[in-house]
Amino acid sequence: DAKTTQPPSMDCAEGRAANLPCNHSTISGNEYVYWYRQIHSQGPQYIIHGLKNNETNEMASLIITEDRKSSTLILPHATLRDTAVYYCIVRVGGTGGFKTIFGAGTRLFVKA
Amino acid sequence: DTGVSQDPRHKITKRGQNVTFRCDPISEHNRLYWYRQTLGQGPEFLTYFQNEAQLEKSRLLSDRFSAERPKGSFSTLEIQRTEQGDSAMYLCASSPQGDPTGELFFGEGSRLTVL
Repeated sequence: DAKTTQPPSMDCAEGRAANLPCNHSTISGNEYVYWYRQIHSQGPQYIIHGLKNNETNEMASLIITEDRKSSTLILPHATLRDTAVYYCIVRVGGTGGFKTIFGAGTRLFVKA
Repeated sequence: DTGVSQDPRHKITKRGQNVTFRCDPISEHNRLYWYRQTLGQGPEFLTYFQNEAQLEKSRLLSDRFSAERPKGSFSTLEIQRTEQGDSAMYLCASSPQGDPTGELFFGEGSRLTVL
């Protein structure tokens, strides 16, 4: 699975959009971009994933560059409860993928 | 419907003792994963089951570690002769075969402290 690079920490004001970047320059054609988050003392929680098109769900939006070498997770209106570690993961998706390899992630602090 | 359940949530033990953690996955999820997480780090993959078959083991899983899933439902992770370096959060996750999202569903974890 390809390796990802994320900033170790970021701040965001409550109510503003949080944009979390991720670089994955060695991504392969059959690898998806996944995002999980981990709130303190809880297990990681799936947020969203995509292959090459931009994706949106009730939690977030995922923007993947055309060359697929980087992506951005967008939390449109961050709240204090969004303070967490966010993990960007690249792996073979769907039924073909078995294990998910986590990096150190980005620690997002949402401030009032 | 309950999520992934792990027991115990916290375990304090003395060095050299054996400990066992249990994971009950979401019903009908035939894939089950164990991860270990130390402070400030992301979860590290340990092992993976499909039904009762253990299909992959990380090099992190030393001979003192053993995981089982005898009936393809719950799983246990045993650590023998614990060392202080084993202190960590042990996370279990499950997923259904055939799910196109490939999402993993994690439990709350079992925190181990070895004194």
